[in-house]
Amino acid sequence: NAGVMQNPRHLVRRRGQEARLRCSPMKGHSHVYWYRQLPEEGLKFMVYLQKENIIDESGMPKERFSAEFPKEGPSILRIQQVVRGDSAAYFCASSPGTGGTNSPLHFGNGTRLTVT
Amino acid sequence: AQSVTQLDSQVPVFEEAPVELRCNYSSSVSVYLFWYVQYPNQGLQLLLKYLSGSTLVKGINGFEAEFNKSQTSFHLRKPSVHISDTAEYFCAGTSYNQGGKLIFGQGTELSVKP
Repeated sequence: NAGVMQNPRHLVRRRGQEARLRCSPMKGHSHVYWYRQLPEEGLKFMVYLQKENIIDESGMPKERFSAEFPKEGPSILRIQQVVRGDSAAYFCASSPGTGGTNSPLHFGNGTRLTVT
Repeated sequence: AQSVTQLDSQVPVFEEAPVELRCNYSSSVSVYLFWYVQYPNQGLQLLLKYLSGSTLVKGINGFEAEFNKSQTSFHLRKPSVHISDTAEYFCAGTSYNQGGKLIFGQGTELSVKP
């Protein structure tokens, strides 16, 4: 049973370009969470999605960031016009239920975004 | 607002020594607490969790943690560490209505030396 799959593992973008990060949840999981880890910091919640719905995006920057989890295919975190401050590790986690308590999150290995 | 604080950014220890990684939380509502481990260039793996019941929680790899409500702490312990325990450890919490929206501490880098 494959775990949470994220790709690419490493992504390098120049300032102003777009970054697309993909996450395929574990089989049977319909809840996806995105977290960002800045250097020397812990993970910060960004967004929580279920299939075709954004449930909670309170941690998403107001501009340039968007996320989707279509009916078919992986969840996508999209960052437009990247800036150096976007350089971080982005982790996806999935759960079969609402997560946290009886449905602990399963994390992917992350995408490390470097903006040059 | 809920917050999680890890008091030590780095903890160096010798192999086979005991270790304690400290975590304090603040919350005015029911709280669920977790410890995760992150090996280099990998994702987070759940070590253990406290939801309710017994305040002493046992996890994988010989780790355990004790939930102390009066001290608002959830310290992680292991009686004898191995080189392979070298990793970053994160304490995280959530409340009953927040689900998988975890609040993470800043992380503690455990370095086990021979």
